Amino acid sequence: DAKTTQPNSMESNEEEPVHLPCNHSTISGTDYIHWYRQLPSQGPEYVIHGLTSNVNNRMASLAIAEDRKSSTLILHRATLRDAAVYYCILRIIYGGSQGNLIFGKGTKLSVKP
Amino acid sequence: EPEVTQTPSHQVTQMGQEVILRCVPISNHLYFYWYRQILGQKVEFLVSFYNNEISEKSEIFDDQFSVERPDGSNFTLKIRSTKLEDSAMYFCASSEEGNEQYFGPGTRLTVT
Repeated sequence: DAKTTQPNSMESNEEEPVHLPCNHSTISGTDYIHWYRQLPSQGPEYVIHGLTSNVNNRMASLAIAEDRKSSTLILHRATLRDAAVYYCILRIIYGGSQGNLIFGKGTKLSVKP
Repeated sequence: EPEVTQTPSHQVTQMGQEVILRCVPISNHLYFYWYRQILGQKVEFLVSFYNNEISEKSEIFDDQFSVERPDGSNFTLKIRSTKLEDSAMYFCASSEEGNEQYFGPGTRLTVT
């Protein structure tokens, strides 16, 4: 399984930006970087994904290092609802594989009011 | 906004019994998945399904498990003879093109 490394936990204050780091030094050229989150007692929720370029959507931004060995998920203004476990996942597509999601332990984000 | 739904929300069964977990994926999605999460542990991939057949499965997905898309809307996971260690949250997910996956709220399976 492709490896990603994330801090076990992070804390943020409400309405401040949050930068969630992820290292993926063994990434290959065709591996997509996906981020999901899981709020307490809910199923995982798609956040964002990218390949090489930085990506923005309504939920977050994804900054990908030039060498692609690391990435950062950016929540521009954390809210209490953003408290969740955030998973950085490499989606590996090879041969006939769809590139299924292999979840790690993720980063547990706490947001303080 | 379309969403994945799952029924039941909680299923209690006795060891050795068969269970069927049901999912209704988002209507125009073509890829379907099952995952499970044992309490306090990681989300684990079980199986993916595309074009009416299994495309990939994990080591967890042994002969006790099967999946089916019996009609145009439902996607089911069957466990033939449940074991205590099958107790977990089971999540269904669907995807339009195999990129973003949209997860349902899960079914909590308790095997006693």
